[in-house]
Amino acid sequence: KAGVTQTPRYLIKTRGQQVTLSCSPISGHRSVSWYQQTPGQGLQFLFEYFSETQRNKGNFPGRFSGRQFSNSRSEMNVSTLELGDSALYLCASSLSAGMNTEAFFGQGTRLTVV
Amino acid sequence: EDQVTQSPEALRLQEGESSSLNCSYTVSGLRGLFWYRQDPGKGPEFLFTLYSAGEEKEKERLKATLTKKESFLHITAPKPEDSATYLCAVQLTRGQNFVFGPGTRLSVLP
Repeated sequence: KAGVTQTPRYLIKTRGQQVTLSCSPISGHRSVSWYQQTPGQGLQFLFEYFSETQRNKGNFPGRFSGRQFSNSRSEMNVSTLELGDSALYLCASSLSAGMNTEAFFGQGTRLTVV
Repeated sequence: EDQVTQSPEALRLQEGESSSLNCSYTVSGLRGLFWYRQDPGKGPEFLFTLYSAGEEKEKERLKATLTKKESFLHITAPKPEDSATYLCAVQLTRGQNFVFGPGTRLSVLP
């Protein structure tokens, strides 16, 4: 079966711009979580969506937002980009919320802010 | 403050040389502890979930154990294809948030 698909794979943006990243979960999975991965901070939880509702949110500023559509696809938006937002953004999908079931990660979107 | 640490930061083993990776946590409340494997340029791959002290899970050459303050990932007779970064994550009872450790970078030499 198809895995988690994230688009685009690579992105270069200028400071101050905004960006939207997309994640298509595995068919049948209703939970999508987003993570930021950087060499200095490691993997950090951004937020989790289940059935179009945000269930959990990590400690990130309001510039980071997301949404989930009725087909479980999710988008993450970052506004007013800063240099420190350069990172690998990963999404993970699972059957149910809370990652108590096995979560599958996509390959990520590499965002570079210049 | 909720915190997850992993040791060692990096580990080099000869093929067949067994060892253990450590994940220590100080959190307000543990809902579950997860182990992942991450290869360069890829997303993490789920390995195990542990929920209570004393629990153990095995998968091929890997065995994960959990105590009240730490978890170990034991690697028995590793092969070069086991080379990867191993991440542990704790799911908190508060808000069901997740805290990841920094990872252990494992290299298995032939």
